[in-house]
Amino acid sequence: DIVMTQSPDSLAVSLGERATINCKSSQSVLYSSNNENYLTWYQQKPGQPPKLLIYWASTRESGVPDRFSGSGSGTDFTLTISSLQAEDVAVYYCQQYYTTPYTFGQGTKLEIK
Amino acid sequence: EVQLVESGGGLVQPGGSLRLSCAASGFTFSSYWMHWVRQGPGKGLVWVSRINGDGSRTTYADSVKGRFTISRDNAKNTLYLQMNSLRAEDTAVYYCARAGRIEVADNYYYNGMDVWGQGTTVTVSS
Repeated sequence: DIVMTQSPDSLAVSLGERATINCKSSQSVLYSSNNENYLTWYQQKPGQPPKLLIYWASTRESGVPDRFSGSGSGTDFTLTISSLQAEDVAVYYCQQYYTTPYTFGQGTKLEIK
Repeated sequence: EVQLVESGGGLVQPGGSLRLSCAASGFTFSSYWMHWVRQGPGKGLVWVSRINGDGSRTTYADSVKGRFTISRDNAKNTLYLQMNSLRAEDTAVYYCARAGRIEVADNYYYNGMDVWGQGTTVTVSS
């Protein structure tokens, strides 16, 4: 199984400041057929289901604010929130969609400092 | 509106069975792979199973293989998860999710789980 490891486990950032979450996969998730990294990011607010934010490591899902961005390739990936808003408080998960089982990272809890 | 609505959760004794349902609307259900994902109390997300559009291909996490069965009825736009031999560690919120896809040059490429239901809670306890 591909192991997904996120860092940090929790993060406190001031409003308007940048938040960065890292995700490392135990093997490459680069899909050769379309040359995309099969790495997704989800946001989960309390009591709600996850919401798809970023797919193919760096493509924002429709409707997601442009303060959210994804980067990375191969085994190392980053989710960045450029200017933290109050509504961004949530747990963020990365997931590899390259091969089953489709494993998730353990989650990163983002709070306001 | 694209929507998924789960039902069928509840309290069941260890060793018991339960069938979850996920009613889909607002999209051509038969054209999409579908997933079940679960989340234990205070825990992270765990992928459980997937099924292709016509129901002919299924895949399971090792932790549920041989105990859970995913299926679908495209005429009813409904996804199912039959859970047998339930254990305490199966206690979780169970979500159904649609496998998103992007069409590029007449090919479909999958891009994650783009639509999720609100979840249904399964508690396995005596």
